[in-house]
Amino acid sequence: ETGVTQSPTHLIKTRGQQVTLRCSSQSGHNTVSWYQQALGQGPQFIFQYYREEENGRGNFPPRFSGLQFPNYSSELNVNALELDDSALYLCASSLWEAGTNEKLFFGSGTQLSVL
Amino acid sequence: KQEVTQIPAALSVPEGENLVLNCSFTDSAIYNLQWFRQDPGKGLTSLLLIQSSQREQTSGRLNASLDKSSGRSTLYIAASQPGDSATYLCAVLTGANNLFFGTGTRLTVIP
Repeated sequence: ETGVTQSPTHLIKTRGQQVTLRCSSQSGHNTVSWYQQALGQGPQFIFQYYREEENGRGNFPPRFSGLQFPNYSSELNVNALELDDSALYLCASSLWEAGTNEKLFFGSGTQLSVL
Repeated sequence: KQEVTQIPAALSVPEGENLVLNCSFTDSAIYNLQWFRQDPGKGLTSLLLIQSSQREQTSGRLNASLDKSSGRSTLYIAASQPGDSATYLCAVLTGANNLFFGTGTRLTVIP
């Protein structure tokens, strides 16, 4: 168990809808990252939040947005869902401080299916 | 742009064999390299993390090496067991706080 929890575990949406995925970080961690993993592929970096601010973003369009809350939990929001958004969405938390790069601890993911 | 490649894509071995998984990356400007394990439909479990200044890390039957200058890492698994069956992913951390992942090696250990 990593201490990172994600909800829901599975979700089915239709094209054009909006979705919100949630993540609770491991206690003591101040950074959360979101990844998208398509079937048979490695995870792709969406963005990272550090102390409630976006701290890096991958090659994803603006309809992918996020929030980090004061308790370091996080949300990933996806608007105008497309079929290609079907994937496993992974949240990872870590403790990031200047000069250190700590391990990322991943949740079990949310499996999103867009029909 | 960083690219991470893992070879082989799939591997089947009989129980008890030692095995090596390979990972290569194109840009040596990394902070660290991590090896993860992923079971079907599940999240990732971190196995080993090697900082850019280190050459190897060991945990139990696992040993990971890093040659940053040549852009290569290997994960050595000793005395493989059926419970080791999973997909193994390597990932490198860049200055943009972005982990670049390979597509993984799917390992099957046959009892």
